[in-house]
Amino acid sequence: DAGITQSPRHKVTETGTPVTLRCHQTENHRYMYWYRQDPGHGLRLIHYSYGVKDTDKGEVSDGYSVSRSKTEDFLLTLESATSSQTSVYFCAISAKPSGQETQYFGPGTRLLVL
Amino acid sequence: KQEVTQIPAALSVPEGENLVLNCSFTDSAIYNLQWFRQDPGKGLTSLLLIQSSQREQTSGRLNASLDKSSGRSTLYIAASQPGDSATYLCAVPSYGNNRLAFGKGNQVVVIP
Repeated sequence: DAGITQSPRHKVTETGTPVTLRCHQTENHRYMYWYRQDPGHGLRLIHYSYGVKDTDKGEVSDGYSVSRSKTEDFLLTLESATSSQTSVYFCAISAKPSGQETQYFGPGTRLLVL
Repeated sequence: KQEVTQIPAALSVPEGENLVLNCSFTDSAIYNLQWFRQDPGKGLTSLLLIQSSQREQTSGRLNASLDKSSGRSTLYIAASQPGDSATYLCAVPSYGNNRLAFGKGNQVVVIP
């Protein structure tokens, strides 16, 4: 298995609070991704990174920010959590762009916003 | 925008039957297509990656075909087993190949 960990694995928080999810990899891969998965919507890209301090928005980036100060860590921050952000969040990594190589996924973080 | 559709959304088959899962995509200008497996409560695991120059890719009981011109891929699982019960997702690169567009998945139950 690719060396990807996500923390926390489960979190319950209240509306309006900031939340930070962490993705850590030991593979030294250049590309890192944050997805959310919801019933009826499937897997949707939030943000991705193509190098340290290089990030770009995905299709559902509103209300989320990311940071990547080291190759191994990619942080996802919900600036002010809302109930609509209750979801399962997955981090993924790849050594090359998606057009050239597969992505490897972490175990996911279940977030409940009350 | 690349749209990926998977049919059927869910299916149940008796053990031993062959499984046929379908994936279609709207933009045929793809570099590859990937099939993933997801078990309940888990992340995705890559099964097969088919390059655009290939027509099929095989791994054990799994065989995936790709028809770029018609925008379709099919995943065949031979002689299904209860352990094959999972959700299968297909994905294609989009937006300049830095991202993947996923289908919503085929949820499979293999009945012993």
